[in-house]
Amino acid sequence: GQNIDQPTEMTATEGAIVQINCTYQTSGFNGLFWYQQHAGEAPTFLSYNVLDGLEEKGRFSSFLSRSKGYSYLLLKELQMKDSASYLCAVKEKGGNTGKLIFGQGTTLQVKP
Amino acid sequence: KAGVTQTPRYLIKTRGQQVTLSCSPISGHRSVSWYQQTPGQGLQFLFEYFSETQRNKGNFPGRFSGRQFSNSRSEMNVSTLELGDSALYLCASSIGTGGETQYFGPGTRLLVL
Repeated sequence: GQNIDQPTEMTATEGAIVQINCTYQTSGFNGLFWYQQHAGEAPTFLSYNVLDGLEEKGRFSSFLSRSKGYSYLLLKELQMKDSASYLCAVKEKGGNTGKLIFGQGTTLQVKP
Repeated sequence: KAGVTQTPRYLIKTRGQQVTLSCSPISGHRSVSWYQQTPGQGLQFLFEYFSETQRNKGNFPGRFSGRQFSNSRSEMNVSTLELGDSALYLCASSIGTGGETQYFGPGTRLLVL
């Protein structure tokens, strides 16, 4: 079956570092995406991992371990504007399908 | 480049009616995927269109349908609306050749009364 798990909520302090974990079990794997979604807005792309390891992009980094079915999103130097929902999504293997399977999302609250 | 656009942004319908939502992808993108987002179920895949053909389909009833035009614009239709169809409907576009990023539109918020 398909299952993607993320913590429901997290709270962190402005200026700190937070790690949002995502574990997945899918029938195939062709990449993992992280999206950020502010309340009432569309998801915006943050990162894409298809090979094991760490991808760094400014204050945001994403890690993937395919053997463990595990990814995390690391946010450094947190800012108030980082308060949002963070969505982990897996693209299953199989052709050029555009189908993404999403986790329920992690709502991050950044406090001053 | 302009982003993904969706119309209308908000819609109120009553049970039993039907509704058509529209999505215009980023220029050059040939794949359009549709998702339903609700507080309880999160983001769920409805279907994907590529070059005017449905390439993949999620687990939704036949009341949900879609199509894609030659200019890659896509529409989705929901017939015989139910209260549970109230949701944010998002479309996402990508180049369509596999593995690349999907970019989301602002969504259409549908309320069924």
